Amino acid sequence: AQSVAQPEDQVNVAEGNPLTVKCTYSVSGNPYLFWYVQYPNRGLQFLLKYITGDNLVKGSYGFEAEFNKSQTSFHLKKPSALVSDSALYFCAVRGRNFNKFYFGSGTKLNVKP
Amino acid sequence: ETGVTQTPRHLVMGMTNKKSLKCEQHLGHNAMYWYKQSAKKPLELMFVYNFKEQTENNSVPSRFSPECPNSSHLFLHLHTLQPEDSALYLCASSQQTGLAGVDEQFFGPGTRLTVL
Repeated sequence: AQSVAQPEDQVNVAEGNPLTVKCTYSVSGNPYLFWYVQYPNRGLQFLLKYITGDNLVKGSYGFEAEFNKSQTSFHLKKPSALVSDSALYFCAVRGRNFNKFYFGSGTKLNVKP
Repeated sequence: ETGVTQTPRHLVMGMTNKKSLKCEQHLGHNAMYWYKQSAKKPLELMFVYNFKEQTENNSVPSRFSPECPNSSHLFLHLHTLQPEDSALYLCASSQQTGLAGVDEQFFGPGTRLTVL
């Protein structure tokens, strides 16, 4: 079965510090992995995706994610957090059915000045 | 904005009412989705349409009835809902290219539904 786990409900980071939002996945076959961000009263916005190739994927707003096959993880990272990065972050994996995506429960990122 | 619009943005309805949620995508995509978002729970996929044909019904109760008249429009008809159906309902679209590529979804802002 395909699934995604985000073990942290909330992550607190000081502005300027590096941030990591964790995601682990379970999928049969090749994983296609995504990160989305949701700001208040908005829909989800795509940040980045891993399909194949380089394990370090760069995305929007300075975010990047590292794919680790042995640990079945796809953690979201940013070298220097901004207050404006405060939002809800979702990890997702696409299943073998091209139309089906599995999302985690979300991690709330709080970046304090 | 993402090119996916949803109306209304907020809806309050009684359990005996009938209402509809509307979604429209201006991106030329061939797949559309309905999701239910409840606090601290994973997004729940409800329905998927590909080229106007329903390809996924994720065991959704019959009080939710989707309709996709064309590739740009998606509706969710609601009737005799329960208070536990209160949630944010998100519409999304994507361009499904099968094995040729894996495209991300574009989401609308959602409809905040409250069932009294």
